[in-house]
Amino acid sequence: NAGVMQNPRHLVRRRGQEARLRCSPMKGHSHVYWYRQLPEEGLKFMVYLQKENIIDESGMPKERFSAEFPKEGPSILRIQQVVRGDSAAYFCASQPSRENTEAFFGQGTRLTVV
Amino acid sequence: SQKIEQNSEALNIQEGKTATLTCNYTNYSPAYLQWYRQDPGRGPVFLLLIRENEKEKRKERLKVTFDTTLKQSLFHITASQPADSATYLCALGVSNFNKFYFGSGTKLNVKP
Repeated sequence: NAGVMQNPRHLVRRRGQEARLRCSPMKGHSHVYWYRQLPEEGLKFMVYLQKENIIDESGMPKERFSAEFPKEGPSILRIQQVVRGDSAAYFCASQPSRENTEAFFGQGTRLTVV
Repeated sequence: SQKIEQNSEALNIQEGKTATLTCNYTNYSPAYLQWYRQDPGRGPVFLLLIRENEKEKRKERLKVTFDTTLKQSLFHITASQPADSATYLCALGVSNFNKFYFGSGTKLNVKP
């Protein structure tokens, strides 16, 4: 049973380009969270999605950031027109249900904006 | 404002001793609290969860306490081993289960 898969593991983008981060949850999990971690800081909540629905996006910047979790395929976190401040590690976590609060995290995507 | 505080200084202990890590919070009424382990370059790994109506939880060498009056959780690792060296994160969950808020973590170094 594969764990949460994130790809790519490392992503380098020039300022102004788009970054697309993918997260495949564990089998049977329909709930996905995205978190961002800056160096020496804790993880900051961005968005919580269930299949085809955004449940809570209160932690996501209003501009340039979007997330989706389609019926088929991985969850995608998209960052348009990246800036240097977007450089961070982005983690996704999945759960089988909303109330089952043991979250399984992926290994993260490290985004570097040059 | 809401705040979760973990000791930013690394905790250095000798192998075999008990490590105790602290998580303090203000302006939260969490429904539950979790502890995670994170190794460099890797994602957090879930360790234990304790709910607001529970005082203590144990799992093998791990023990978590939760004092909602003091707004504090303590995380204990007994008979610590060098393999326990990592950063430990606490996370508070809200009652609607929409998100959990992380502290910045405490780095534990267990010396042989």
